[in-house]
Amino acid sequence: QKEVEQDPGPLSVPEGAIVSLNCTYSNSAFQYFMWYRQYSRKGPELLMYTYSSGNKEDGRFTAQVDKSSKYISLFIRDSQPSDSATYLCAMSAAGNNRKLIWGLGTSLAVNP
Amino acid sequence: EPEVTQTPSHQVTQMGQEVILRCVPISNHLYFYWYRQILGQKVEFLVSFYNNEISEKSEIFDDQFSVERPDGSNFTLKIRSTKLEDSAMYFCASTQRGAYNEQFFGPGTRLTVL
Repeated sequence: QKEVEQDPGPLSVPEGAIVSLNCTYSNSAFQYFMWYRQYSRKGPELLMYTYSSGNKEDGRFTAQVDKSSKYISLFIRDSQPSDSATYLCAMSAAGNNRKLIWGLGTSLAVNP
Repeated sequence: EPEVTQTPSHQVTQMGQEVILRCVPISNHLYFYWYRQILGQKVEFLVSFYNNEISEKSEIFDDQFSVERPDGSNFTLKIRSTKLEDSAMYFCASTQRGAYNEQFFGPGTRLTVL
């Protein structure tokens, strides 16, 4: 089983829709969960960072972590065309190094 | 706002040649990373660096790869003898001590090996 799985999409939604992006993982040692946004041929940009289980909200973005199910989600409310990008989940275990293990990324298009 | 910078943005090289990819991390960051992303594949961890030494390296980071922090600002990745399969985007990242997981990424260097 792959460590982190993420449906690559593509996902196409109308402007204003609620978007739900998800990742599953197999390694129970993961404790830190991140969502990055990546525009074409650019570096990943950190959107949300969550420790352990629970929810975190930042403006139109909400990150959820369910460690019991090994499932994380990112919700985007009132989606905008500028949200069109690839969204990557990444996670790491505890420890000083905390290298990131990544999902494949989900390509999102928000249509005006 | 401080950012991680990388040069060059695109490097084309012949198989077997040495390349050096350069990064300038955010100035008060202490942990540094290299990742790569082959087209259509996941971002992969290569190496982490702290206190002037490698903290961890992946299986990809074999003897052909090396990292260095030659001065107080630059962080470099050297590939001694490039292979076709080294063609990828290479990303540098850095993070502050105590905020290990908020890794900030540079724009990447696209390496093309012919």
